[in-house]
Amino acid sequence: DAGITQSPRHKVTETGTPVTLRCHQTENHRYMYWYRQDPGHGLRLIHYSYGVKDTDKGEVSDGYSVSRSKTEDFLLTLESATSSQTSVYFCAISESTGEGETQYFGPGTRLLVL
Amino acid sequence: AQKVTQAQTEISVVEKEDVTLDCVYETRDTTYYLFWYKQPPSGELVFLIRRNSFDEQNEISGRYSWNFQKSTSSFNFTITASQVVDSAVYFCALPKQGNKLTFGGGTRVLVKP
Repeated sequence: DAGITQSPRHKVTETGTPVTLRCHQTENHRYMYWYRQDPGHGLRLIHYSYGVKDTDKGEVSDGYSVSRSKTEDFLLTLESATSSQTSVYFCAISESTGEGETQYFGPGTRLLVL
Repeated sequence: AQKVTQAQTEISVVEKEDVTLDCVYETRDTTYYLFWYKQPPSGELVFLIRRNSFDEQNEISGRYSWNFQKSTSSFNFTITASQVVDSAVYFCALPKQGNKLTFGGGTRVLVKP
């Protein structure tokens, strides 16, 4: 257990509404990531963070923004939700061992945009 | 560009059969890691293994084994004597700079009793 929680776990919203998903970690990891999971695509990286206030885009960042004002929290915002953003969203942290880095994932947030 | 291909979208077996999941990858990096994750029906993602490209020895962990062949850019995963609890979607993944993972599309394994 890498101490990662996500909130909310489920959300239904309407097109055009802003939505914020929260990822919280308790173990002071520097790197955090947001992925989305859609059938047939595996998981795809939306945004990631390499420290407080340090973020960068992933491969599917359009329509999303992120913020990291504290080490433990990484927020993902859908500025104006669209039906194409209906997905399962996973947060991850990267844990470093002597041999390299391994990502561990939160439980996921299931988002439905109507 | 990084790419991971899991050509098998779904595999169905009867309990106690062996099942092998294929993973083929593309990378320009000379050294890299490869990962397998399991996603059971409950939906969480469970880390299974990380493999360094320097080490081509097969890895075995209980009923799970992995065969890494750099010459064919493959990192295949075998479940021996499958059990119903092995039913899940399995993902192969390859990181790029910043440990950003590129995932394959996943293989769904259904183990029937």
